[in-house]
Amino acid sequence: EIVLTQSPDTLSLSPGERATLSCRASQSVSSDYLAWYQQKPGQAPRLLIYSASSRATGIPDRFSGSGSGTDFTFSISRLEPEDFAVYHCQHYGSSPITFGQGTRLEIK
Amino acid sequence: QVQLVQSGAEVKKPGASVKVSCKASGYTFTTYVINWVRQAPGQGLEWMGWISAYDGNTNYAQNFQGRVTMTTDTSTRTAYMELRSLRSDDTAVYYCARHSSPHNYGSVSFDPWGQGTLVTVSS
Repeated sequence: EIVLTQSPDTLSLSPGERATLSCRASQSVSSDYLAWYQQKPGQAPRLLIYSASSRATGIPDRFSGSGSGTDFTFSISRLEPEDFAVYHCQHYGSSPITFGQGTRLEIK
Repeated sequence: QVQLVQSGAEVKKPGASVKVSCKASGYTFTTYVINWVRQAPGQGLEWMGWISAYDGNTNYAQNFQGRVTMTTDTSTRTAYMELRSLRSDDTAVYYCARHSSPHNYGSVSFDPWGQGTLVTVSS
């Protein structure tokens, strides 16, 4: 089973700043089958990034992903008020599919 | 638009079973896989398994083997997840989530997700 560890657990930033989140895998993620999801309180997760760096349909270009192998990064270039939420990484290249523990992005 | 609508909240006693439904609309139901994911209060996401709506094949996470059954009814475009022998630590929000690409068992991200169903297990 691939264990995903996200850091930091909580990130406090102000609107307009850049956010950088990390997701580290316990073993290499095949073919970069790594996704990022946003989850707001009381809502279901929403797909933002798949294949490590591809934006899902309708996702603004301020959201980006990068990385390969075991180290992946998710960035938001300029934080908007609606971006403050929990972000989850997920590997889906093999079974079992696993998620990181989540990073909470909060307003400073 | 593509939408997954889940059944309402449930309260169950320990040892009971629960069956959650997930009704799909806006796409060809039989060309996609449906996943089930749960989230305990204040916790992360846990994948439970998937079912293919085109051939009924399933892939359950080891943690749930023997306790979960996933099915589909193509006539009503609905997927179901039944969890048996409920314990207090099964208290969670249960989500269905469609594969983002058709005709693929694996290696596909999840999009969209249902709104979630809260299952509370309490004596």
